[in-house]
Amino acid sequence: GENVEQHPSTLSVQEGDSAVIKCTYSDSASNYFPWYKQELGKRPQLIIDIRSNVGEKKDQRIAVTLNKTAKHFSLHITETQPEDSAVYFCAARSPGFQKLVFGTGTRLLVSP
Amino acid sequence: DAGITQSPRHKVTETGTPVTLRCHQTENHRYMYWYRQDPGHGLRLIHYSYGVKDTDKGEVSDGYSVSRSKTEDFLLTLESATSSQTSVYFCAISDGGTGYTFGSGTRLTVV
Repeated sequence: GENVEQHPSTLSVQEGDSAVIKCTYSDSASNYFPWYKQELGKRPQLIIDIRSNVGEKKDQRIAVTLNKTAKHFSLHITETQPEDSAVYFCAARSPGFQKLVFGTGTRLLVSP
Repeated sequence: DAGITQSPRHKVTETGTPVTLRCHQTENHRYMYWYRQDPGHGLRLIHYSYGVKDTDKGEVSDGYSVSRSKTEDFLLTLESATSSQTSVYFCAISDGGTGYTFGSGTRLTVV
């Protein structure tokens, strides 16, 4: 089945810097890749997603890129703010399977 | 809120006792899921459902069972709780088109 690896496990940046989180997946047929943000003690919430027919997607300060050949996708956060501090999860879904496989998460800490 | 609620929010139980967690949705979504979240492991799928009475196992299903007798309810049962099942349990729903919506989670402690 699908396997998703996520790096780094922790990431510390200064406010205003950019942050990049990377994920790789194993099933070349996977076609949907969401990203979730989980604040301390809260539920994971979808922040951005990308489908396999698109190479990049942006939403204000966040963007996701997908490289199907290399089977990896990345989350980019620009101009980080302290409220971006959270755990971020990537996930992948194979066609025909209505279930997401998650990475192990990245704890992002943005220092003022 | 998000159209999905979990109960209870917190529970402490003793080793060897059965425990049932409930997930209730008001979105009429076809798909429902139970995940557990543990440090270093992320979110791991326990069981999922793709319709009333239609369920399947996830990657960490041992020691757990589920039932879905109505579209809106998905129950997770720990048949005989063990300390290794101490975790945060999240229910999620999906219409199959995009990502999940998660419930607020249940923090379960087995002593």
